[in-house]
Amino acid sequence: QSALTQPASVSGSPGQSITISCTGTSSDVGNYNHVSWYQHRTGKAPKVMIYEVTKRPSGVSNRFSGSKSGNTASLTISGLQAEDEADYYCCSTAVSYTSWVFGGGTKVTVL
Amino acid sequence: QVQLVESGGGVVQPGGSLRLSCVASALSFTSYGMHWVRQAPGKGLEWVAFMQYDGSEEYYADSVKGRFTISRDNSKNALYLQMTSLRPEDTAVYYCASKAAAYYFDYWGQGTLVTVSS
Repeated sequence: QSALTQPASVSGSPGQSITISCTGTSSDVGNYNHVSWYQHRTGKAPKVMIYEVTKRPSGVSNRFSGSKSGNTASLTISGLQAEDEADYYCCSTAVSYTSWVFGGGTKVTVL
Repeated sequence: QVQLVESGGGVVQPGGSLRLSCVASALSFTSYGMHWVRQAPGKGLEWVAFMQYDGSEEYYADSVKGRFTISRDNSKNALYLQMTSLRPEDTAVYYCASKAAAYYFDYWGQGTLVTVSS
């Protein structure tokens, strides 16, 4: 399984919205609705922000939203805040739920 | 509060072996499938291995298949990763994580660093 494709970096000013794309294939993102997104700050454990493409776990701000079209999933952060600076990774299950593949990660910078 | 605590990392020579452990607390461990995920220095997250809640199924990434073995001891709330034939490219922080019913990683440990170097 090849890694999903994400932009290396995305930046925005406080209050703006940004979108991170995650492109896979018909063998992973395109074939499963089990796409999830993780926020990872240096030295911390990753934290799930979105699961099953669009769902937010309890406690995650509604400024985070997810979507999918074909082989590409997206994470949108609205009302960007300084605390949103982190690396973000998408992930999809694959191969009949016997494998998981992550994206290469996107560094989000708040200007 | 759920806690996953990894241990067993360290420096090992190429071709060597190492066994990682992950102990869970405040988690219904026997109900959760468990993963190992790693992050090499300066790189992204990479899924490594998964074991079903009862040990009935296990899956591996192609990059570690045949060299790494995942196991668990539900009586100790513990997950293990036996790593053999280690290579420099296995150098990474290794995280254990629990699998939610919806196929995502819900709880994560803080990670343990494995360095493969001569």
